[in-house]
Amino acid sequence: NAGVTQTPKFQVLKTGQSMTLQCAQDMNHEYMSWYRQDPGMGLRLIHYSVGAGITDQGEVPNGYNVSRSTTEDFPLRLLSAAPSQTSVYFCASSFSTGGNYGYTFGSGTRLTVV
Amino acid sequence: DQQVKQNSPSLSVQEGRISILNCDYTNSMFDYFLWYKKYPAEGPTFLISISSIKDKNEDGRFTVFLNKSAKHLSLHIVPSQPGDSAVYFCAASEWGAGNMLTFGGGTRLMVKP
Repeated sequence: NAGVTQTPKFQVLKTGQSMTLQCAQDMNHEYMSWYRQDPGMGLRLIHYSVGAGITDQGEVPNGYNVSRSTTEDFPLRLLSAAPSQTSVYFCASSFSTGGNYGYTFGSGTRLTVV
Repeated sequence: DQQVKQNSPSLSVQEGRISILNCDYTNSMFDYFLWYKKYPAEGPTFLISISSIKDKNEDGRFTVFLNKSAKHLSLHIVPSQPGDSAVYFCAASEWGAGNMLTFGGGTRLMVKP
């Protein structure tokens, strides 16, 4: 069982370039989300999805787009990379049963924008 | 302003002793709290959680305590082991918020042999 798979693991971009971070889960979870981790800031929510075709903004959505055409995939697009987007990005999928949440995170993508 | 705060960026403990990691929150609508453990170059992994209807939850060496009136929770690890050395994140969610988590800044725990 692969869980949550993120690609690539590392990426260096030049300012202004665009790219897509891939995320796929094989657990049939309804919920998927993207977080970024910065030193001392913990993980901050970028965008999330409660099901195929439904997405919404999190705490820090500017400069990022998402779509959810299937239950399995939730790609994150950087439209025009900026040095402030240098971070480690984590994708997560989750379920909810009886008020308890189960979150599974991917191993992360380390992005550097120069 | 951060709604979930971990005021200790690091903690060093001797193997076999108790580790206590603290977390404070400001949003009174939070009703579910989780602790995650993170090793370098890996994603966070779920450790233990607690609902606001409880004040304690225990799982092996790990116990989470919740003080709703103080908006404070803590994670106790007893006994601490060198393999527990990692960054620990406290997270909180609000009922009906679509499973969105709000994370604290993390505490780096170092357990010395």
